[in-house]
Amino acid sequence: AQSVTQPDIHITVSEGASLELRCNYSYGATPYLFWYVQSPGQGLQLLLKYFSGDTLVQGIKGFEAEFKRSQSSFNLRKPSVHWSDAAEYFCAVVLSGDYKLSFGAGTTVTVRA
Amino acid sequence: ETGVTQTPRHLVMGMTNKKSLKCEQHLGHNAMYWYKQSAKKPLELMFVYNFKEQTENNSVPSRFSPECPNSSHLFLHLHTLQPEDSALYLCASSQSRTGADTQYFGPGTRLTVL
Repeated sequence: AQSVTQPDIHITVSEGASLELRCNYSYGATPYLFWYVQSPGQGLQLLLKYFSGDTLVQGIKGFEAEFKRSQSSFNLRKPSVHWSDAAEYFCAVVLSGDYKLSFGAGTTVTVRA
Repeated sequence: ETGVTQTPRHLVMGMTNKKSLKCEQHLGHNAMYWYKQSAKKPLELMFVYNFKEQTENNSVPSRFSPECPNSSHLFLHLHTLQPEDSALYLCASSQSRTGADTQYFGPGTRLTVL
């Protein structure tokens, strides 16, 4: 069955430290890949997306993600976390030719001073 | 006003009430979506509209009734809900109904069913 997995439910990181959030997908073909962020009381905001080409994608707010076909992964990274990065992060995929986004369950990031 | 707006932001209703959620997008998009976000569960797609026509009903109970009078507005009419329907309801829009088009989300309506 097609699925999107975010293995980490909750991550705590110190301000200024690096952050990596994991995302794995299980699809027959390479889907379109997205990372969204949801701050408390807010809707989802797109951080970045991958369709094809360069496997390292740059996004907003200093985030980047790397697509690894061999691992069916699309991990999100940020070199130095700010307190404002505390939020919930969602990985999402959609198959080429389809339009229905499938979301992972999300990873909550807590930033400590 | 820009982006996708949703009203009300919070709603408390009894199981016998009838209420409506409203979504408006100011992006000139042609596709609109309703999602349900429950605690610690992935977002669930409920309905999709493309050029005002419903193209997806993801096995949603009939107590949820969507309406899309034009490409800018989307409603979700609620009646005789159950406590398990309590959730955050998110509206989204995209330029067209393709996977390559980014979906832009509103802030959501937090619904509590008593």
